[in-house]
Amino acid sequence: SQTIHQWPATLVQPVGSPLSLECTVEGTSNPNLYWYRQAAGRGLQLLFYSVGIGQISSEVPQNLSASRPQDRQFILSSKKLLLSDSGFYLCAWRQGGGYTFGSGTRLTVV
Amino acid sequence: GQQLNQSPQSMFIQEGEDVSMNCTSSSIFNTWLWYKQDPGEGPVLLIALYKAGELTSNGRLTAQFGITRKDSFLNISASIPSDVGIYFCAGITQGGSEKLVFGKGTKLTVNP
Repeated sequence: SQTIHQWPATLVQPVGSPLSLECTVEGTSNPNLYWYRQAAGRGLQLLFYSVGIGQISSEVPQNLSASRPQDRQFILSSKKLLLSDSGFYLCAWRQGGGYTFGSGTRLTVV
Repeated sequence: GQQLNQSPQSMFIQEGEDVSMNCTSSSIFNTWLWYKQDPGEGPVLLIALYKAGELTSNGRLTAQFGITRKDSFLNISASIPSDVGIYFCAGITQGGSEKLVFGKGTKLTVNP
């Protein structure tokens, strides 16, 4: 079956620390993958998308980066977190007629 | 960039009432999607619309893809307490790299 996994579910990190969030999909090949951020429970902002291994497109300038080392793996990273990086991060993939989202990672930068 | 204007921002209704929310855009979209998000979880797809003028139902939910391809509405009939959540419209862009663009959401509260 086709599923999407995202972890961790919650994360509390100090300012200036690095970040690595991972997203993997199962049951498909060469999916389009996306990272979104949601602040204050409203509105999803597209951060990055990838149409294949090593192919990353950034939507907004920010303190984050993304990588796609394998076909079904999408990673969101930061070298030094800022307070403003706090939020709910969601991974998604194009599946059939719509997009399917992971369960999200709640990141709190303190 | 492309933006979706979703309204209303929030709604407070009594159980049993019908609900209507809508999205408009200055851009044309190939596909309109409606999602519901519960607290602390990812959005879940409710209805997908693929053709201009298309009217689709999913249980008590009905959504339509506007003729101009620049708008869509979602109706919920006979609301129940579990309808509480945030509803998002989203459009899939046409041409070039495909992207899913979201409205800002409608927060629905249903009073028993």
